[in-house]
Amino acid sequence: AQSVAQPEDQVNVAEGNPLTVKCTYSVSGNPYLFWYVQYPNRGLQFLLKYITGDNLVKGSYGFEAEFNKSQTSFHLKKPSALVSDSALYFCAVRGGGGFKTIFGAGTRLFVKA
Amino acid sequence: DGGITQSPKYLFRKEGQNVTLSCEQNLNHDAMYWYRQDPGQGLRLIYYSQIVNDFQKGDIAEGYSVSREKKESFPLTVTSAQKNPTAFYLCASSRLAGETHEQYFGPGTRLTVT
Repeated sequence: AQSVAQPEDQVNVAEGNPLTVKCTYSVSGNPYLFWYVQYPNRGLQFLLKYITGDNLVKGSYGFEAEFNKSQTSFHLKKPSALVSDSALYFCAVRGGGGFKTIFGAGTRLFVKA
Repeated sequence: DGGITQSPKYLFRKEGQNVTLSCEQNLNHDAMYWYRQDPGQGLRLIYYSQIVNDFQKGDIAEGYSVSREKKESFPLTVTSAQKNPTAFYLCASSRLAGETHEQYFGPGTRLTVT
């Protein structure tokens, strides 16, 4: 069965510092991995995805994520955090021939000025 | 929120009443989805549709119904059989039902049932 874990409910970082939001997954076959961001009372916005190829994926707003097959991880990163990055971040996975996307429980990122 | 609209943004209903949530997309996407979001639980799939006039149950379909009569529209009805309907409901679409396609989300409808 497919599953996604986001081990941190909240991540706190100072503006200008690098940030990492963690995600690990379990799926049979090739994983297709996604990151989405949600601002308060809004829908989710797509940030980036890993399908195949280069393990480092670059996305919107300066975010990037690194796919690590041996550790079954897909952590979201940004070199320098902004206060406006404060939001709820979801990791998601598809794979194993399944149609459904499985979402993690979300990690709230708080960037302090 | 791309080309997906959901209405209304807030909805209040009394227990025992059915209510229909609207979802429209102008992205020409084939696949559409309904999710329910509760605090701390991520998104749970209610129903999805890969093509007009066809849809499948997701993980928590009990107490919900959908229709897909037009490519651009995928309304969700929350029936009185749904035990705990108060939640934030999100509609999404994707270009195809394939595994590699990201989803585009509407702004959501917050339903409160008292």
